[in-house]
Amino acid sequence: DTGVSQDPRHKITKRGQNVTFRCDPISEHNRLYWYRQTLGQGPEFLTYFQNEAQLEKSRLLSDRFSAERPKGSFSTLEIQRTEQGDSAMYLCAVLRSNTGELFFGEGSRLTVL
Amino acid sequence: GEDVEQSLFLSVREGDSSVINCTYTDSSSTYLYWYKQEPGAGLQLLTYIFSNMDMKQDQRLTVLLNKKDKHLSLRIADTQTGDSAIYFCAREIPSGSARQLTFGSGTQLTVLP
Repeated sequence: DTGVSQDPRHKITKRGQNVTFRCDPISEHNRLYWYRQTLGQGPEFLTYFQNEAQLEKSRLLSDRFSAERPKGSFSTLEIQRTEQGDSAMYLCAVLRSNTGELFFGEGSRLTVL
Repeated sequence: GEDVEQSLFLSVREGDSSVINCTYTDSSSTYLYWYKQEPGAGLQLLTYIFSNMDMKQDQRLTVLLNKKDKHLSLRIADTQTGDSAIYFCAREIPSGSARQLTFGSGTQLTVLP
């Protein structure tokens, strides 16, 4: 099964607060991705992990963003000192290695007031 | 992504065929994808096509790829109300070891009864 569970599904926070999102792939996947989707747009690549190693980061990922995948299974994405421009859906995806397909979770929607 | 373009809206009658179009600028893609997103949900992979293929059919879905014109289309036969959603075209960009996708802004398909 290539399901991806994300938590929380929706987070409302005040500007300046820190938030953390978690992504749990149901089964083992070497490659895990984070994407961001703003209203009316398609998802944009943020970062990618091969097992526990973070191999690529987009220029969209400012210093306030940090992602980890400590044991090569679940991953967290933390945003520090949130800004209103961070309001978006944060999507986690895993690569199905036998077919090369990228499967997405249902996302964590962040609203920064 | 600016290099993947889609029309914003499409309306069809139930039972008709829908054709959603996508153009891209960079011919270095290896895979091209179609994803479906229903309100408040994550992205569901519908189908994909490898860049050396011209056509792929999967039940009600037909993908056509014109590499010369850098044009991708998704045809949905016998469109149903449950097909109403946003459809994203995406192309894979060669990027080191990552399987990064660049998405279009999505086409909102409305199926009228």
